[in-house]
Amino acid sequence: AQKVTQAQTEISVVEKEDVTLDCVYETRDTTYYLFWYKQPPSGELVFLIRRNSFDEQNEISGRYSWNFQKSTSSFNFTITASQVVDSAVYFCALQTDSWGKFQFGAGTQVVVTP
Amino acid sequence: DAGVIQSPRHEVTEMGQEVTLRCKPISGHDYLFWYRQTMMRGLELLIYFNNNVPIDDSGMPEDRFSAKMPNASFSTLKIQPSEPRDSAVYFCASSLLWPRQPQHFGDGTRLSIL
Repeated sequence: AQKVTQAQTEISVVEKEDVTLDCVYETRDTTYYLFWYKQPPSGELVFLIRRNSFDEQNEISGRYSWNFQKSTSSFNFTITASQVVDSAVYFCALQTDSWGKFQFGAGTQVVVTP
Repeated sequence: DAGVIQSPRHEVTEMGQEVTLRCKPISGHDYLFWYRQTMMRGLELLIYFNNNVPIDDSGMPEDRFSAKMPNASFSTLKIQPSEPRDSAVYFCASSLLWPRQPQHFGDGTRLSIL
C-alpha cells in the first residue's frame, strides 16, 4: 500500500521567514514519482515539481527548494523568504509505476502574514 | 496554451436533479482524471481514462456517478440523482504519458446540492 503523510496541518509565518513543509511517503515500489502542488485561496491546483525515485538531486527554483531523501522516505519543500502570495495549501503526492492510485497527502495550509 | 477547461465553474441544484460536469483536457494529452475534494476526505481520485478508455473507476462512490469520454477532447461526469453529500469541488486533470509527466488540473467545479 502507498501512503503520503503531511503531518503539519497549518504553518503560520511572518513575511520573509523561511518555511519548510514536510512530506513522508510509503511505498514498496522501487519506481515511483513524487509531486508537489499548490492550491491558493482561489482554489485551482498548480503543479510545482515532479521527482522520480531515481533522481535524488535536490532542486531549487527561485525561492522554492526541494529536498528528496530516499533514506528517510521524505520529500520536503522549503519556501525561502516567504511572501503573502505564498499563502496556500500545499499538497505532496505519490504515484507508483504499478498502476496504483495517485495518492495525495492531506495538505499543509501555509499562512504568511505581512 | 489553453489549460484544462471545466464547466460550469459553479453549480447549485436541488437534491434529486441530474448534474453534468464537463471537461476539456489539454490538447494531445492521453490521460484524463476526475477528482473530488471535500474537507472531510481531501482529494479523492474518482476515475481515470487513458486514450478515452476508463482504466480505474474504483473511486466512483456509487452507481449514481458515471463518467464518459466520447473523444479525446471531452469528458463528462454525471451524478443522477444528486444528493446533498455530493456537494464538493470536482476537478478534472489531464496528463501526457502519466506518470512520467505531471497532471495539470482545471479550475474545478464547485457543486452545491440543496
